Amino acid sequence: AQKITQTQPGMFVQEKEAVTLDCTYDTSDPSYGLFWYKQPSSGEMIFLIYQGSYDQQNATEGRYSLNFQKARKSANLVISASQLGDSAMYFCAMREGSEGGSEKLVFGKGTKLTVNP
Amino acid sequence: NAGVTQTPKFQVLKTGQSMTLQCAQDMNHEYMSWYRQDPGMGLRLIHYSVGAGITDQGEVPNGYNVSRSTTEDFPLRLLSAAPSQTSVYFCASSYRDRSNYGYTFGSGTRLTVV
Repeated sequence: AQKITQTQPGMFVQEKEAVTLDCTYDTSDPSYGLFWYKQPSSGEMIFLIYQGSYDQQNATEGRYSLNFQKARKSANLVISASQLGDSAMYFCAMREGSEGGSEKLVFGKGTKLTVNP
Repeated sequence: NAGVTQTPKFQVLKTGQSMTLQCAQDMNHEYMSWYRQDPGMGLRLIHYSVGAGITDQGEVPNGYNVSRSTTEDFPLRLLSAAPSQTSVYFCASSYRDRSNYGYTFGSGTRLTVV
């Protein structure tokens, strides 16, 4: 069974608008971490934001925020005020296990975001 | 600059040839891993290591070998290349015991098997 599901193969947004990229996850472990990575056309993987399963507040990093709904097992990435440079593939990933437990990072299939001028 | 270094960046192999993809990190990360990225498939874990002398299989280990003789290096060996191994390969590293620590990725190796 897929552990990370990203249902939007592609998304389009106008420059300066906000966009939400969806991610749902599946785990029975009470301790896990959720990550979002950006992959521009140049190919490198860029870490954007992290949310821990026990974190009470939604994570924020500049224009990126994570809308964490634990009961629904969703961890959507919100990008505010989109810029042309935000055009890229975006991957949601999960790391299961308690502190020092599983080290595996499992990825979703990604969403390709295109920001239009 | 500190980080994860992968070599080569590009490689073309003939079916049946063997080769080693190199990965080195200088951040003293205990955990290292290899992923392959195929169109529409995201990144899939091939092998990983939680420390020198310790390796384990990931989701798609067949056709690949790894070893971890030092903390810094984690080479990936293709024993007998097949066209199905045409992919982009990423090495990643992280600290253990810090579940909130993001993984650091290398710049990738684009491998074509003809």
